[in-house]
Amino acid sequence: QQQVKQSPQSLIVQKGGISIINCAYENTAFDYFPWYQQFPGKGPALLIAIRPDVSEKKEGRFTISFNKSAKQFSLHIMDSQPGDSATYFCAATEPGQLTFGSGTQLTVLP
Amino acid sequence: DAGITQSPRHKVTETGTPVTLRCHQTENHRYMYWYRQDPGHGLRLIHYSYGVKDTDKGEVSDGYSVSRSKTEDFLLTLESATSSQTSVYFCAIRDSDRRNEKLFFGSGTQLSVL
Repeated sequence: QQQVKQSPQSLIVQKGGISIINCAYENTAFDYFPWYQQFPGKGPALLIAIRPDVSEKKEGRFTISFNKSAKQFSLHIMDSQPGDSATYFCAATEPGQLTFGSGTQLTVLP
Repeated sequence: DAGITQSPRHKVTETGTPVTLRCHQTENHRYMYWYRQDPGHGLRLIHYSYGVKDTDKGEVSDGYSVSRSKTEDFLLTLESATSSQTSVYFCAIRDSDRRNEKLFFGSGTQLSVL
């Protein structure tokens, strides 16, 4: 079963727009929620992460919003740029185990 | 890519043949992982290692075996490759902070089983 559900599968945004990717989880033992960014031909790389004791974390144009009661978290990319075009994976961890969502392919049009 | 080298980068093989993929790290990290990436499934854990000769199964371990005889090398073997094992394989190593499951990934191996 898919422990972390990610949507949408693909997303097209105009340059300067806001990109929003959503994830939901069921396992309340998860205690760390990272987002990974992957460019074609490369391995994923950690982009930003949040712990469940905070509701929001912002790093530059990237923000994670976390709703513990709803067991949902999302990635917001403000002022999206063509260079942000990549595949984004949410993930959730419990000690010793990292579970990924299915990925979102983001395309930012110039 | 954080001192991680995967080899080969590309491999084409035939059904029924054995295949070994290699992951080499220069970071001296204890934890190493093998993932496969497939459209619509994201990254799924095949096997992982928490030390020399210490390995465990992941979510999709059937048809795969691993070995780790040295800290720096983690081998993934497909004993008899099948077409369903056509995928992109990623090795990852983990930062030593247990409360921070930050993974560093290699650049991947594209495997095609014909």
